[in-house]
Amino acid sequence: NAGVTQTPKFRVLKTGQSMTLLCAQDMNHEYMYWYRQDPGMGLRLIHYSVGEGTTAKGEVPDGYNVSRLKKQNFLLGLESAAPSQTSVYFCASRHELYGPKGRETQYFGPGTRLLVL
Amino acid sequence: QKEVEQDPGPLSVPEGAIVSLNCTYSNSAFQYFMWYRQYSRKGPELLMYTYSSGNKEDGRFTAQVDKSSKYISLFIRDSQPSDSATYLCAMSGSNFGNEKLTFGTGTRLTIIP
Repeated sequence: NAGVTQTPKFRVLKTGQSMTLLCAQDMNHEYMYWYRQDPGMGLRLIHYSVGEGTTAKGEVPDGYNVSRLKKQNFLLGLESAAPSQTSVYFCASRHELYGPKGRETQYFGPGTRLLVL
Repeated sequence: QKEVEQDPGPLSVPEGAIVSLNCTYSNSAFQYFMWYRQYSRKGPELLMYTYSSGNKEDGRFTAQVDKSSKYISLFIRDSQPSDSATYLCAMSGSNFGNEKLTFGTGTRLTIIP
């Protein structure tokens, strides 16, 4: 199993450009999450999904859109990138019920580093 | 004020020492408490999970929760250089399902050989 994979690993954008970050998981997990991690701020939830075809807003959703057309994929879109969106983006997934270490066993991908100039 | 406070460090200790990492929180609804370990340029991985108050031990790691003080701790015994990482505490409330995790900012730990 590859677990949770993210593409791309690193990207540089100019202000106003758009891009899509792809997250894929091969664990048949229902729940998927997008976080951003910034120095001094910790991990903050952007959007999440509780199943194929569903999405919901997290703590910091503005400027981002998501789609979950297939159970194994969760896409994060930036329509018009801003320097404030420079961050490291992590995708995570978890089983609907209990994971091996408890109900909150979220499995994280390796991250995408995004720089917006 | 943040819901979860965590000293960012950095914290440097010699190999073999006991390490104590801590978080405080303000939301009394938190019932599930987790510690994640994050190596440099990697995603976080779940290390310990505790429900409500009490202690939980897993090898060299012990997680402790004191809900009356709104204080959680992670102890690492016989610390190794491979324990060098950033440790994130995380918490969630009582709703089962898709509630979000609230993370601390992380403590960067270095174990000196």
